[in-house]
Amino acid sequence: LAKTTQPISMDSYEGQEVNITCSHNNIATNDYITWYQQFPSQGPRFIIQGYKTKVTNEVASLFIPADRKSSTLSLPRVSLSDTAVYYCLVGDIDQAGTALIFGKGTTLSVSS
Amino acid sequence: DAGVTQSPTHLIKTRGQQVTLRCSPKSGHDTVSWYQQALGQGPQFIFQYYEEEERQRGNFPDRFSGHQFPNYSSELNVNALLLGDSALYLCASSLGQGTFNSPLHFGNGTRLTVT
Repeated sequence: LAKTTQPISMDSYEGQEVNITCSHNNIATNDYITWYQQFPSQGPRFIIQGYKTKVTNEVASLFIPADRKSSTLSLPRVSLSDTAVYYCLVGDIDQAGTALIFGKGTTLSVSS
Repeated sequence: DAGVTQSPTHLIKTRGQQVTLRCSPKSGHDTVSWYQQALGQGPQFIFQYYEEEERQRGNFPDRFSGHQFPNYSSELNVNALLLGDSALYLCASSLGQGTFNSPLHFGNGTRLTVT
């Protein structure tokens, strides 16, 4: 599984757009990029997944450049409730039973 | 539709004791994975159960064992507890043995404290 690197922490204010970048230089052809969000004392929650270019859902957008060696999770107009740890994961969607390998994630702190 | 449920939510044990944690998967899911999350760290994969068999295992000693029942629920057992076993233990379920694009559904975990 490709290793990922993310910033340890980020700070933001309510209403701002937050972009968290993840580096995955050794990403393989079949690998997809997935982001999870975790609030204190809760399990991680799936946010978004993509392979290339841009993916958007009701929660976030995921931007993936052509070389796929990095990806950026974009959270529009964050609120205090977006304070959480965000994990970037990379894995092969064709391989059954792939265990998720989490790093330390990025702790996002949103202030008023 | 119930999500993943874990019990108990909190547990305090003494070094050397044994503990059993329980997990019921999300309705319709048949695969259960267990993760250990130490304070300030990301979840670490322990093992995965599918069709009542351990299918994958992370880098954890044999003191960690599990079981999956015919109704897909699962147990995690830890023997000879060490102080370092203190952590949040997370259960996650998925449909089928799971591929990377099958999002895992996590429970809120069991907080184990070993004194």
